[in-house]
Amino acid sequence: QVHLVQSGGVVKKPGSSVKVSCKASGYTFTNYGISWVRQAPGQGLEWMGWISTYTAKTDYAQTLQGRVTMTTDTSTTTAYMELKSLRSDDTAVYFCGRVHDYGGPGESDYWGQGTRVTVSS
Amino acid sequence: SSELTQDPSVSVALGQTVRITCQGDSLRIYHANWYRQKPGQAPVLVISGENHRPSGIPDRFSGSSSGNTASLTITGAQAEDEADYYCNSRDTSGKRLLFGGGTQVTVL
Repeated sequence: QVHLVQSGGVVKKPGSSVKVSCKASGYTFTNYGISWVRQAPGQGLEWMGWISTYTAKTDYAQTLQGRVTMTTDTSTTTAYMELKSLRSDDTAVYFCGRVHDYGGPGESDYWGQGTRVTVSS
Repeated sequence: SSELTQDPSVSVALGQTVRITCQGDSLRIYHANWYRQKPGQAPVLVISGENHRPSGIPDRFSGSSSGNTASLTITGAQAEDEADYYCNSRDTSGKRLLFGGGTQVTVL
């Protein structure tokens, strides 16, 4: 079966960085991309960006451009999302999702369990 | 345009039909995908593309679109369908995805 397992929750100080991992298993890693989505407390889903695991091409939400970096390690079938210069409004649950790669991002049919990131002084 | 607009909430009587809509310019070009999310859980894909249901999604869920509006219909709503529903599609550049604000569905 397809599984995406994310790293555990963390508490970070404002101005610091966080790196969340997403370990994929149960499918050929490079046949699908990885999308990252976050959800602030009581709010809706916000798409952050995606990475093609085949080409390593990325596209990021314009609101996060310059602060977010998405990478993958195909040898360990793990995707990473790093967010820098953290602010209190980055407090959210962060989800990775397996995304169909149509040359651009498609639908996500499997998701990780979510990683809670709390930004607090 | 870089927005997808959904009604914040809708209610439906048990066993009745409810339609959830999503409006946006990019929907004239790209199909919408629909996700269900229950509190404390990850989203679940319920409809993708023109009207494709992933394995395990009941056939009471269906999708359609017309012009700049995509719709998710639940025919014969069940208590377990109570959740937040989000539409999602590419933006007009085709490079990025957007989410609608979500619709909270209450089954009475």
